[in-house]
Amino acid sequence: AQTVTQSQPEMSVQEAETVTLSCTYDTSESDYYLFWYKQPPSRQMILVIRQEAYKQQNATENRFSVNFQKAAKSFSLKISDSQLGDAAMYFCAFLLLNTGNQFYFGTGTSLTVIP
Amino acid sequence: EAEVAQSPRYKITEKSQAVAFWCDPISGHATLYWYRQILGQGPELLVQFQDESVVDDSQLPKDRFSAERLKGVDSTLKIQPAELGDSAMYLCASSLGQNLNTEAFFGQGTRLTVV
Repeated sequence: AQTVTQSQPEMSVQEAETVTLSCTYDTSESDYYLFWYKQPPSRQMILVIRQEAYKQQNATENRFSVNFQKAAKSFSLKISDSQLGDAAMYFCAFLLLNTGNQFYFGTGTSLTVIP
Repeated sequence: EAEVAQSPRYKITEKSQAVAFWCDPISGHATLYWYRQILGQGPELLVQFQDESVVDDSQLPKDRFSAERLKGVDSTLKIQPAELGDSAMYLCASSLGQNLNTEAFFGQGTRLTVV
């Protein structure tokens, strides 16, 4: 069975500071992708960043970066220079390619940004 | 910019009534997902289509839920009869297709309230 675990239901960060959201996953498959999605209140879910499992280099998108530890099955998201607009639910997800593009989501982390 | 369209945005229905949701994926996207998201939780996959075929409906409560994608484009999710516990956000997402390294794009969702 495939699982995604986000152990931090809520996190908070001061504006302009850095915060790290944790995610671990479990799969016996080798061909997959990892994602972080953001869901602002009452708004649609959008992609923040993605990581191909076969790549060792950690993905970076502007202020967002990941720490991908494949052996440990860990995929954390770092948000630098936090902004008020970063406040949202953040979901970790992974996509299995060889079993029909099945997506698995974690339970989410609610991020509050304190002015 | 191409988007996943969902309607209605909000729906209030009485228990035991029938309700239907519609989704139009991004043009050219072969894979379509229906998720249910209870407030404060992560999305739970209900059904996944590859073109007009169901790939995974293992979590779909088939005694009351049905989904179709007859021409492999837009899709309808139906609940009959609705129960109080069905109150949730219903999300539709689409992606390019099987075994392609692409993320899922989400619609704005339909928020269902069963009274």
